[in-house]
Amino acid sequence: QSALTQPPSASGSPGQSVTISCTGTSSDVGGYKYVSWYQHHPGKAPKLMIYEVTKRPSGVPDRFSGSKSGNTASLTVSGLQTEDEAAYYCSSYAGSNIYVFGTGTKVTVL
Amino acid sequence: EVQLMESGGDLVNPGGSLRLSCEASGFIFRNFWMSWVRQAPGKGLEWVTNIKEDGSEKYYVDSVKGRFTISKDNAKNSLYLQMNSLRAEDTAVYYCARVRKGGYFENWGRGTPVTVSS
Repeated sequence: QSALTQPPSASGSPGQSVTISCTGTSSDVGGYKYVSWYQHHPGKAPKLMIYEVTKRPSGVPDRFSGSKSGNTASLTVSGLQTEDEAAYYCSSYAGSNIYVFGTGTKVTVL
Repeated sequence: EVQLMESGGDLVNPGGSLRLSCEASGFIFRNFWMSWVRQAPGKGLEWVTNIKEDGSEKYYVDSVKGRFTISKDNAKNSLYLQMNSLRAEDTAVYYCARVRKGGYFENWGRGTPVTVSS
């Protein structure tokens, strides 16, 4: 039950794109299609942004997209906006009704 | 609108106990798995425990097994977390979350803070 590995920080100017990686193992990210991403502003409830690797919940802008290759999943935010500045966490199903989160990435809009 | 509201967080001595509650509304509570997720100060999110729709199955992260117990009262639309033998490393904001098939946490509360310190 080790945390998935994410870069501590990422940044971009408004309008640019940023991609966040999430690296696990064949027992979690690589073994299931159940990777999700969450946006978390301090003091607020985390918000689901992507589920099942690539799917976007209703209301999430299509600027947010997800992908996966092997044991690494990625979240891309295109056309960065100031309100995108937040912490982002990946999560993966790890079998036997166990879940694991990533270490988190702080996205800064320059 | 789905709403989840946690309560019960407090300052507690090491070795002490605490019971967290999460009141749910806006959906048919008895039809969903539920989870508790926590965030220690300056750290990332950590999944803590899950409970099946009818409460018949429960799963825990290794670090809380034998100390924490999740429960669900479908008649009261409420989720609980009984925390015993608390340690300093249990200090965190605790969130309840609705779990969807497909292994994701669709809705979250705003959390309740737990501090374990003497």
